[in-house]
Amino acid sequence: AQKVTQAQTEISVVEKEDVTLDCVYETRDTTYYLFWYKQPPSGELVFLIRRNSFDEQNEISGRYSWNFQKSTSSFNFTITASQVVDSAVYFCALISNTGKLIFGQGTTLQVKP
Amino acid sequence: DARVTQTPRDKVTEMGQEVTMRCQPILGHNTVFWYRQTMMQGLELLAYFRNRAPLDDSGMPKDRFSAEMPDATLATLKIQPSEPRDSAVYFCASGPGVSTDTQYFGPGTRLTVL
Repeated sequence: AQKVTQAQTEISVVEKEDVTLDCVYETRDTTYYLFWYKQPPSGELVFLIRRNSFDEQNEISGRYSWNFQKSTSSFNFTITASQVVDSAVYFCALISNTGKLIFGQGTTLQVKP
Repeated sequence: DARVTQTPRDKVTEMGQEVTMRCQPILGHNTVFWYRQTMMQGLELLAYFRNRAPLDDSGMPKDRFSAEMPDATLATLKIQPSEPRDSAVYFCASGPGVSTDTQYFGPGTRLTVL
């Protein structure tokens, strides 16, 4: 069975702090893809990143960075120098050849000014 | 800036009524997905289509839900009859190719069944 676990239900930080959102996944497939989506208070789901299982290189995009470690089945997301606009629910998700995107339960991030 | 569009954005209806939600995928995308989001269950896949053909609707309650793609620019999700437990946000997403490609989500339809 495939599963995505985001153990942190809610995180609260003060603006400019760094914050890491954890994501642990389970799958028996050797080929799979991992995603992060952001859901701001307005409700839409915004795509952030897609990573395939053969590419463990970390990625940085502005204040966002992602750490993919197959050895621990983790795909963690770090926001550097957080801002109030980063306040949202963040979802980690997994898909393989089953064709079904499996979401974690989400982590609610609150960034206080 | 290509986006998935969904209508209506909000729908309040009474139990027993028919509800139809519509989705326009991003032009050129040939895979379309329907998801439901609730506090209890999170985000669940209801059904998905490739090239307008249904590939998987195992997540959908068959007795009251139906999903169709009358043409490449329109996907519909219908509930008949609606029940209070159907209250949720329904998202449509589209992707450019196979199901493992990135899915781009619409703004969602917030359904409230009284």
